[in-house]
Amino acid sequence: GQNIDQPTEMTATEGAIVQINCTYQTSGFNGLFWYQQHAGEAPTFLSYNVLDGLEEKGRFSSFLSRSKGYSYLLLKELQMKDSASYLCAVSPRTGGGNKLTFGTGTQLKVEL
Amino acid sequence: GAVVSQHPSRVICKSGTSVKIECRSLDFQATTMFWYRQFPKQSLMLMATSNEGSKATYEQGVEKDKFLINHASLTLSTLTVTSAHPEDSSFYICSPRRVDTQYFGPGTRLTVL
Repeated sequence: GQNIDQPTEMTATEGAIVQINCTYQTSGFNGLFWYQQHAGEAPTFLSYNVLDGLEEKGRFSSFLSRSKGYSYLLLKELQMKDSASYLCAVSPRTGGGNKLTFGTGTQLKVEL
Repeated sequence: GAVVSQHPSRVICKSGTSVKIECRSLDFQATTMFWYRQFPKQSLMLMATSNEGSKATYEQGVEKDKFLINHASLTLSTLTVTSAHPEDSSFYICSPRRVDTQYFGPGTRLTVL
């Protein structure tokens, strides 16, 4: 089966750094995605990790440890517009058309 | 990022009617399309997977005769909610797959009265 865990809510201050963790247990692994979703909107792609290590993309970085079944999304220099839900999703196996399994999402609130 | 359109963005219908939702990948060809449903404050739940030119594969608990999916071309897929009921009210999102990345349409908010 698939099991993905993320904290339900987090609060951080504008200009600060926040780390959102995700742990997973899946039958097979072919990569982990992070998406941002604002209320009432569809998710937007942030990052994709398939190998261990840190991927940096501007203010956002994503880390993966396959042996630990663990990932985190790091947001730097937080802005008010970063208030959103952040979804961790795992691609369970290789091959085209494989399905993503989503965590329940972490609702991030950025305060002044 | 890739451009995906979904139409309509919002729809309100009466119980018992059918609603068709269109999803288009505007700048790439999607051999695989995923359809998700999201209830308030919940995560995305996969409803079905469709490959161009073949029948969709539905997730457990999703009625194939109620949620009709057509993936007639590499750039267009449709989801038809037949005989809609209030419990079908939800946010429906299409997700075309491009190589190793899934993109998402802007979603359709369906309200069934």
